[in-house]
Amino acid sequence: EAQVTQNPRYLITVTGKKLTVTCSQNMNHEYMSWYRQDPGLGLRQIYYSMNVEVTDKGDVPEGYKVSRKEKRNFPLILESPSPNQTSLYFCASSLRSGLAYEQYFGPGTRLTVT
Amino acid sequence: SQKIEQNSEALNIQEGKTATLTCNYTNYSPAYLQWYRQDPGRGPVFLLLIRENEKEKRKERLKVTFDTTLKQSLFHITASQPADSATYLCALETGYSTLTFGKGTMLLVSP
Repeated sequence: EAQVTQNPRYLITVTGKKLTVTCSQNMNHEYMSWYRQDPGLGLRQIYYSMNVEVTDKGDVPEGYKVSRKEKRNFPLILESPSPNQTSLYFCASSLRSGLAYEQYFGPGTRLTVT
Repeated sequence: SQKIEQNSEALNIQEGKTATLTCNYTNYSPAYLQWYRQDPGRGPVFLLLIRENEKEKRKERLKVTFDTTLKQSLFHITASQPADSATYLCALETGYSTLTFGKGTMLLVSP
């Protein structure tokens, strides 16, 4: 089954404790991205990757890091999480970049930073 | 900066009626526009894509229009059903490989 998976689905952590949210897709997609979704603010793009070893900032990259060492994986790293990073996070992938291709979203990771 | 506006209030309609949702944008001329459905706590699901040279696109009970002069897209669900209740998002490409979503419109279909 074609899908995007994320882990963990739920995470409660404390300020400053480094964490990684994994994202994997099995569709051989070139483009992957991370979004956060907050009430009243909608979905906002954090980082995106157009292919292996090619990443770039989205609208809200501060406090986040990403890497794309393999085509299927695109982990999101929070080196020193803060409470304002409490949010619902989504990973997405598409065949290529741009809106000519539909985005496939993962199930989401709900992160709480205390 | 690019601004995308969708109906800010929830849209309540009766089963069987046509729901019409609006997506307005400024300061950009997108080549494509997409619509997604999102259920609470779940990831958005792609519904339709429309290109700038297409005036209208249909898929079953769904219809999307795209007016690049008005900078507006309309999303219609005909013969709406309670199962159509969800939040609907429009999305534009607002920079090189940067995608921007509207905040979404919550649709509630009553039996």
